[in-house]
Amino acid sequence: GEDVEQSLFLSVREGDSSVINCTYTDSSSTYLYWYKQEPGAGLQLLTYIFSNMDMKQDQRLTVLLNKKDKHLSLRIADTQTGDSAIYFCAEKELNTDKLIFGTGTRLQVFP
Amino acid sequence: NAGVMQNPRHLVRRRGQEARLRCSPMKGHSHVYWYRQLPEEGLKFMVYLQKENIIDESGMPKERFSAEFPKEGPSILRIQQVVRGDSAAYFCASSPDRGYNEQFFGPGTRLTVL
Repeated sequence: GEDVEQSLFLSVREGDSSVINCTYTDSSSTYLYWYKQEPGAGLQLLTYIFSNMDMKQDQRLTVLLNKKDKHLSLRIADTQTGDSAIYFCAEKELNTDKLIFGTGTRLQVFP
Repeated sequence: NAGVMQNPRHLVRRRGQEARLRCSPMKGHSHVYWYRQLPEEGLKFMVYLQKENIIDESGMPKERFSAEFPKEGPSILRIQQVVRGDSAAYFCASSPDRGYNEQFFGPGTRLTVL
């Protein structure tokens, strides 16, 4: 069955880079996503990558996809206190419209 | 262009009561998805609807839960005879077409069952 795993916590100093990792099991995934959830709020789509790509960069965000190892990462450069939130990776399977979410990584940024 | 709207934002029910959660998709979107987030967990898919049609309900509990998306008006997620384990955040997302690569999420309804 589908399974998406993430580490639960990450703590970084302001100004450093953050790297959030995710592993998935479904090799037929078409798109992989990163969402951000702030306390008490909904999900904000940060970025997504198509499964035939290796990398996507969008300002401070860099997504790396290793399809062979089924590993996805999100790098946030120059992390700020406003980046403190829970980050979810998600996959979309071929021929379905549902997203399979990971358990989320809580990023804490300290001064 | 308003985003996905959900109401109420917070809902408190006693065990055995009914809960009705509403979702208005983004303008021009005719596809709606419901997800549930239990405390300290990720989101779990529940159901995917197009107007007047349930496309995929593979994530819906077999009893007490139902969903609809009528021709006019919002999508409704209905939970009958709520139990404490139903306490969660329920998120709705929408997209303009089937197979669209983005789902746009609403702010969620936080249901608390006493």
